[in-house]
Amino acid sequence: DIVMTQSPDSLAVSLGERATISCKSSQSVLYNSNNKNDLAWYQQKPGQPPKLIIYWASTRDSGVPDRFIGSGSGTDFTLTINSLQAEDVAVYFCQQSYRTPYTFGQGTKLHIK
Amino acid sequence: QVQLQGSGPGLVKPSQTLSLTCTVSGTSITSGLYYWTWVRQPAGQGLEWIGRISTTGDTNYRPSLRSRVKISVDTSKNQISLELSSVTAADTAVYYCARETGTWILNYHYYYAMDVWGQGTTVTVSS
Repeated sequence: DIVMTQSPDSLAVSLGERATISCKSSQSVLYNSNNKNDLAWYQQKPGQPPKLIIYWASTRDSGVPDRFIGSGSGTDFTLTINSLQAEDVAVYFCQQSYRTPYTFGQGTKLHIK
Repeated sequence: QVQLQGSGPGLVKPSQTLSLTCTVSGTSITSGLYYWTWVRQPAGQGLEWIGRISTTGDTNYRPSLRSRVKISVDTSKNQISLELSSVTAADTAVYYCARETGTWILNYHYYYAMDVWGQGTTVTVSS
């Protein structure tokens, strides 16, 4: 299985500041045939299912604010949330869809400082 | 608007079979190219991919669960089902159904993420 490792496990950021979450995969998830990284980011708020925010490492899903930015390639990826808003408090997961079984990072809990 | 609604018993006895259903509304499960997926999440923990079934019936399962899991489709009811046999307390979790979507690039269809999720069904394994 491809192991996904996120850091940090928990993150406190002031409102209006930037949050940065890292995700590393145990092998490359760059799909050569389309030059896309099979890496997605999800946001999960308490009592709710995950919500897709980023796919192909850097493409925002429909309706996702542009303060959410995904970057990286190969094995190293970053989710950046600019100008943190109160509604961004959640757990964030990365997930690889390069190979089954699909695997998720352990999650990063983001809260307000 | 596509919506997924999971249902099933909230309590299952050890060694029995967990059976859940996910009803899809807003689209036919046979239209388009999608995988219909099950993911679970033990309380306070991370997400675990269980398996998926395509609109053509192809399945992929998590290897550690393969001997106990079956995902199927009932097109007449527009439903996806999950069966997990010989359950133990370790199978206690919230079970989510989700749609894995994709897009066409140069005559080839690529799947990329789970874009629609059900609300989740809490299942407890206990005697």
